[in-house]
Amino acid sequence: NAGVTQTPKFRILKIGQSMTLQCAQDMNHNYMYWYRQDPGMGLKLIYYSVGAGITDKGEVPNGYNVSRSTTEDFPLRLELAAPSQTSVYFCASGASYEQYFGPGTRLTVT
Amino acid sequence: RKEVEQDPGPFNVPEGATVAFNCTYSNSASQSFFWYRQDCRKEPKLLMSVYSSGNEDGRFTAQLNRASQYISLLIRDSKLSDSATYLCVVNIFLTGNQFYFGTGTSLTVIP
Repeated sequence: NAGVTQTPKFRILKIGQSMTLQCAQDMNHNYMYWYRQDPGMGLKLIYYSVGAGITDKGEVPNGYNVSRSTTEDFPLRLELAAPSQTSVYFCASGASYEQYFGPGTRLTVT
Repeated sequence: RKEVEQDPGPFNVPEGATVAFNCTYSNSASQSFFWYRQDCRKEPKLLMSVYSSGNEDGRFTAQLNRASQYISLLIRDSKLSDSATYLCVVNIFLTGNQFYFGTGTSLTVIP
């Protein structure tokens, strides 16, 4: 049972580039989430989804987009990367209130 | 105003000690409460949910005080393996099932 998987593990982007962070879960969870964690800070919710075809903004959605075409996948798209998007990105899924996190993607924008 | 506030610590305690962490939340509409554990450079993992009546899981006890809007975590008989950052998490379903994380409290258990 893989749980929540994220790819890539690490990435360096130049300012203005775009990329997609992949997230997949095999637990048939309806809820999926994207967070970012800056050094010494708590996790901030970027976007979340309550099921396939449904997404909603979290606390810090600017500069990001998501889609949820299947229950399993919840990719996060960064358009026009900026240094302020340097962070660790965690994807999570859950059936109700509990959340199971992936191992994270460390992104540096220079 | 932050939704969730925690004392960042660090807490350095000897093995076998009892340590307590507190967390306050600002939104009275908060519905569900949790403690997560995060090891250095790893993902958060659920430690326990927090119920109004209080709950215990082995050496860990969680309490919720809705009137004062705070949550606590008590760790008894600390082990070296308890060294981690403990994150307080609040769920506010009215705003669309959003979760708010505290910045975490760092614990180091010393031999």
